[in-house]
Amino acid sequence: GENVEQHPSTLSVQEGDSAVIKCTYSDSASNYFPWYKQELGKGPQLIIDIRSNVGEKKDQRIAVTLNKTAKHFSLHITETQPEDSAVYFCAASNDMRFGAGTRLTVKP
Amino acid sequence: SQTIHQWPATLVQPVGSPLSLECTVEGTSNPNLYWYRQAAGRGLQLLFYSVGIGQISSEVPQNLSASRPQDRQFILSSKKLLLSDSGFYLCAWSSSWTGVEQYFGPGTRLTVT
Repeated sequence: GENVEQHPSTLSVQEGDSAVIKCTYSDSASNYFPWYKQELGKGPQLIIDIRSNVGEKKDQRIAVTLNKTAKHFSLHITETQPEDSAVYFCAASNDMRFGAGTRLTVKP
Repeated sequence: SQTIHQWPATLVQPVGSPLSLECTVEGTSNPNLYWYRQAAGRGLQLLFYSVGIGQISSEVPQNLSASRPQDRQFILSSKKLLLSDSGFYLCAWSSSWTGVEQYFGPGTRLTVT
């Protein structure tokens, strides 16, 4: 089955800086790569996703890039704000294996 | 629009007691349904998934079971809870078997004492 590695496990940035979280996957047949944001005590919320037919997707301050050859994809958050603080999870189809999560802290 | 509900929100149960967690989805039909467990500070572990009524697949051996008595209802059960069953239980749904675009419920915090 799919194996998804996510790093770093924790990330602390200053407000206004950028944050990058990276994931690698093992199954070359995977074609869908979502990112989830989980706030304390809540369920994960889908924030952005990318499919294998594109290399980059942006939505305001967040973007995801995909390198199918290298089998890795990344989440980029620019102009970080304190409300971006949360745990972020990546996942890869075909059987939706999740990474272990990254705890992002944005310091005001 | 689709919504997913879970209850109870929190639960404290003694070791050896039974468990029943419920998940329901509104606004869609024939969803794929999933149960995940999240230990404190850890990632998401897929426990069960279902592609239809009465169809349950288990990802890991454990003392938990799942049932899907109705199209949009998914139940997680145990006959006798263990301390290791403590965690945050999340139900999710998607509209296709590939797991594309899974949407999560608010979760149930289970503490086994």
